[in-house]
Amino acid sequence: KAGVTQTPRYLIKTRGQQVTLSCSPISGHRSVSWYQQTPGQGLQFLFEYFSETQRNKGNFPGRFSGRQFSNSRSEMNVSTLELGDSALYLCASSLSLQAGVDEQFFGPGTRLTVL
Amino acid sequence: QQQVKQSPQSLIVQKGGISIINCAYENTAFDYFPWYQQFPGKGPALLIAIRPDVSEKKEGRFTISFNKSAKQFSLHIMDSQPGDSATYFCAAFARGGAGSYQLTFGKGTKLSVIP
Repeated sequence: KAGVTQTPRYLIKTRGQQVTLSCSPISGHRSVSWYQQTPGQGLQFLFEYFSETQRNKGNFPGRFSGRQFSNSRSEMNVSTLELGDSALYLCASSLSLQAGVDEQFFGPGTRLTVL
Repeated sequence: QQQVKQSPQSLIVQKGGISIINCAYENTAFDYFPWYQQFPGKGPALLIAIRPDVSEKKEGRFTISFNKSAKQFSLHIMDSQPGDSATYFCAAFARGGAGSYQLTFGKGTKLSVIP
């Protein structure tokens, strides 16, 4: 079974630009979550999508947005990039069962560098 | 604010020794506590997890101890090996409305196992 894939793996942008990152979940997984990982703040939750709807959102500014398509693939967008947006952006997918715990499977991440 | 506090930030252990990483939480709504292992260039991978109604769970060389009254849990790695050298994250899982959920992570512990 193929794992979570993220594209691109590396990205370099300049301040003020915008960027779109892509995530393909494990086949059959309906929920996709996004996390930002930095050395200082660790792993921080951005948002979670299920059936093309955002179900939960972390404490990030509106410059961070996302969407999910009917095939469960997800994209996140960051507009007006700032230096502090440099981070590893991780996508995780899960089955999102109604009961029990959802084990989240992480992709390798997209390393974004803002110059 | 939901928080999970993890210590130590870094840990150096001799091969064959015991590695111990501690975490504490505040929010009693957390109902599942996973540990993730992350190697450089990879996304976090689930290592072992525990529910709060269990005081200990063991899988191979990895053991989680859980103290519900103290709101603390810890990871013990027995017979630590150089291949265990990685960053370890504790996390706490809570369900929100409309079936949403969110993982809150500790800031990570970089473990180095020296021969």
